Amino acid sequence: DVKVTQSSRYLVKRTGEKVFLECVQDMDHENMFWYRQDPGLGLRLIYFSYDVKMKEKGDIPEGYSVSREKKERFSLILESASTNQTSMYLCASSPTGEEQYFGPGTRLTVT
Amino acid sequence: SQQGEEDPQALSIQEGENATMNCSYKTSINNLQWYRQNSGRGLVHLILIRSNEREKHSGRLRVTLDTSKKSSSLLITASRAADTASYFCATGADSWGKLQFGAGTQVVVTP
Repeated sequence: DVKVTQSSRYLVKRTGEKVFLECVQDMDHENMFWYRQDPGLGLRLIYFSYDVKMKEKGDIPEGYSVSREKKERFSLILESASTNQTSMYLCASSPTGEEQYFGPGTRLTVT
Repeated sequence: SQQGEEDPQALSIQEGENATMNCSYKTSINNLQWYRQNSGRGLVHLILIRSNEREKHSGRLRVTLDTSKKSSSLLITASRAADTASYFCATGADSWGKLQFGAGTQVVVTP
């Protein structure tokens, strides 16, 4: 079974802090994705990566950056957390063009 | 930007009844996928239907795709309390496997 893990289920940070969310997949998938999920808005793509050190902006990249130094690991970075970044963050991986496998999510609260 | 729009937003049925939800989208796609999300958890892939397919079955799930109307439907037959979840449609249109998600349909199945 594909397993996608995320570093934390719940996280509380203060405004202005630098926040790291980590995602690890164990199926050697090329593609990895970071989404945020807000009520009534569904999932919105923040960034995705199709190979090590390769990244592309999604629909809402502002205020975020990513890092993919190893194929299995994709990190989302909030350079200076703000209250409007309070959300559920979901990581996913997939072989190209197929279904995505999601992690359990990190519920981030920025106070 | 949201591509898929689910209808209805919420659905309440009794065990044993069928549940039908619809998804409409705006632009050409390679495939359409349905996912389930139990409360506060990650998404689980249910079924993928490609643009050249019209209908697909998986267990109690039946998905149809009408590319001329840019719409899809998900039917869950003989629903169970365990089917209580949010259901999302997602459209794939590029070679990277990026998906555009709708806002979801919240389904409640009462015993």
